[in-house]
Amino acid sequence: SAVISQKPSRDICQRGTSLTIQCQVDSQVTMMFWYRQQPGQSLTLIATANQGSEATYESGFVIDKFPISRPNLTFSTLTVSNMSPEDSSIYLCSVGGTILAGAFNEQFFGPGTRLTVL
Amino acid sequence: DAKTTQPPSMDCAEGRAANLPCNHSTISGNEYVYWYRQIHSQGPQYIIHGLKNNETNEMASLIITEDRKSSTLILPHATLRDTAVYYCIAGRNTDKLIFGTGTRLQVFP
Repeated sequence: SAVISQKPSRDICQRGTSLTIQCQVDSQVTMMFWYRQQPGQSLTLIATANQGSEATYESGFVIDKFPISRPNLTFSTLTVSNMSPEDSSIYLCSVGGTILAGAFNEQFFGPGTRLTVL
Repeated sequence: DAKTTQPPSMDCAEGRAANLPCNHSTISGNEYVYWYRQIHSQGPQYIIHGLKNNETNEMASLIITEDRKSSTLILPHATLRDTAVYYCIAGRNTDKLIFGTGTRLQVFP
């Protein structure tokens, strides 16, 4: 399995500012994803973080608002830019694919980052 | 859009088996059926997955129909700690997983 940590675990931010969320995995993985979960809702996929290239965004999400980096096989960041209260959500990263030390068939999720925008 | 449909909520008495159904009539031949659960807005926890055969692990059993159009997650002896939202997802581990609305399972004493 994979152990995933996210920083920060929670934050309260002012509108108009930006927050960068970090996702760290304890082993190398091929796939990393970012999700958003608005209050009382299910998870919505934001984008696939591609190592060494631009992220692949889902409909309704754009790079200017949610820039993503993935510099290596164990780390990714998601930035929520120019925040508004509507961005208040839990942001989660997940990993999938082949861990270079062994294969697995499921995806694992981080604990999430709870963001409140005032 | 999610490829699965689930009842929005279910109740189960503590100690009894909880049987959570899922329909996935458009599942592709190379897609697995995954089950996750989410407790108190924590990160989703993996439960079990299967392709064609029934599967069992220490947490649950997964029964997949022969035509693969539906499945049932079985928690054999539900406890209060099993109260959560359960998500059934059709997908592959190397591809994005699309979450539906899930089933909110309430286990009562």
